[in-house]
Amino acid sequence: DADVTQTPRNRITKTGKRIMLECSQTKGHDRMYWYRQDPGLGLQLIYYSFDVKDINKGEISDGYSVSRQAQAKFSLSLESAIPNQTALYFCATSDRASNQPQHFGDGTRLSIL
Amino acid sequence: AQSVTQLDSHVSVSEGTPVLLRCNYSSSYSPSLFWYVQHPNKGLQLLLKYTSAATLVKGINGFEAEFKKSETSFHLTKPSAHMSDAAEYFCVVSDLSSSNTGKLIFGQGTTLQVKP
Repeated sequence: DADVTQTPRNRITKTGKRIMLECSQTKGHDRMYWYRQDPGLGLQLIYYSFDVKDINKGEISDGYSVSRQAQAKFSLSLESAIPNQTALYFCATSDRASNQPQHFGDGTRLSIL
Repeated sequence: AQSVTQLDSHVSVSEGTPVLLRCNYSSSYSPSLFWYVQHPNKGLQLLLKYTSAATLVKGINGFEAEFKKSETSFHLTKPSAHMSDAAEYFCVVSDLSSSNTGKLIFGQGTTLQVKP
């Protein structure tokens, strides 16, 4: 089983719909992250969470929200999806001793029509 | 402000020949630098990291990188390319100003093509 699992792996939806991307991890890590990847732009940080009660905005949080339901679960929501949110989304984790994501999920490819 | 520039968006080599992926950085503090690899339809995998110890850093799969402060560079090399090395590579910087936030600055990526 993968250490970091993202669901769904692919999603196509329409403008204005609410979307939730889920991430769960079996690493026992405290820190979890959501990134967005666009061609030619590398990865951009959307939100990060250092523990269940600590959530912080990243570089591009507008239009997104997150929920840290448990140490192992960190979900990303698009309340009203728009086409420029079409991208590849990654969840990642790290332990407290590390200042960079150590383990990434395989990504969710999201297309908004 | 910190930034990362990967100097080549695409690199093509023949199997068995050396690989060089170039990265320059800009940071106001002592940087931590990383290289990640991403294979198609997969997440990122950490290849190696520099955190102010030895300037020549050895990573997985035969890759290594050398931190050169005078040149603000952190180029990734491998003596002999394998077909399985074909992927996208990201140079990443994190410095003291952001090390407590988990925030990283990614380069735009370099696609490595390996020809038989």
